[in-house]
Amino acid sequence: DQQVKQNSPSLSVQEGRISILNCDYTNSMFDYFLWYKKYPAEGPTFLISISSIKDKNEDGRFTVFLNKSAKHLSLHIVPSQPGDSAVYFCAASGRGRGTGNQFYFGTGTSLTVIP
Amino acid sequence: DAGVTQSPTHLIKTRGQQVTLRCSPKSGHDTVSWYQQALGQGPQFIFQYYEEEERQRGNFPDRFSGHQFPNYSSELNVNALLLGDSALYLCASSFWTGESTDTQYFGPGTRLTVL
Repeated sequence: DQQVKQNSPSLSVQEGRISILNCDYTNSMFDYFLWYKKYPAEGPTFLISISSIKDKNEDGRFTVFLNKSAKHLSLHIVPSQPGDSAVYFCAASGRGRGTGNQFYFGTGTSLTVIP
Repeated sequence: DAGVTQSPTHLIKTRGQQVTLRCSPKSGHDTVSWYQQALGQGPQFIFQYYEEEERQRGNFPDRFSGHQFPNYSSELNVNALLLGDSALYLCASSFWTGESTDTQYFGPGTRLTVL
């Protein structure tokens, strides 16, 4: 049962344009969401997070939006750079709210930024 | 400040053998979680250790066991290896806030191949 879904396996974007990566979740107990970036042969690197009490969090070129009613979050990267090319994983946690402390991950979206 | 480290980097075993993977958490972290990432999938939670005890377990058989040491480092043991155990094994460390774990930071992983 996949509780976190990333329905786009891949995405290609021109350098300088906006990249939008999407993620859906099914468990209403999730209240903490994260995005990780993963390069080949490396572990996932934490990128940005958002708590369910917010609907937006920004960190430089990266912004995460959360729509709780739709159970949907997205990651915006503006402007996109070739170094952003990687696999992006969305993750969610209930932070002790009945789902335990584990993080549930999506299957990832491979982003390619074309120079 | 050293991040999360894992050893070995790669490992090749045959069916039926046993394997031990090791993880040292990021400085200041006291909680270690283990994940299995199969090819083309997101990380799947195996279990989490805090204060040398298994706090939570994902949907993995008893062949998967672990240990946490007083210095917070951890081991993952897999007995009676199956071909399907071939995967990237990721260790993630975090700090227990008293209610839940904070953001998890990943190591580079151990690539296990079972022949």
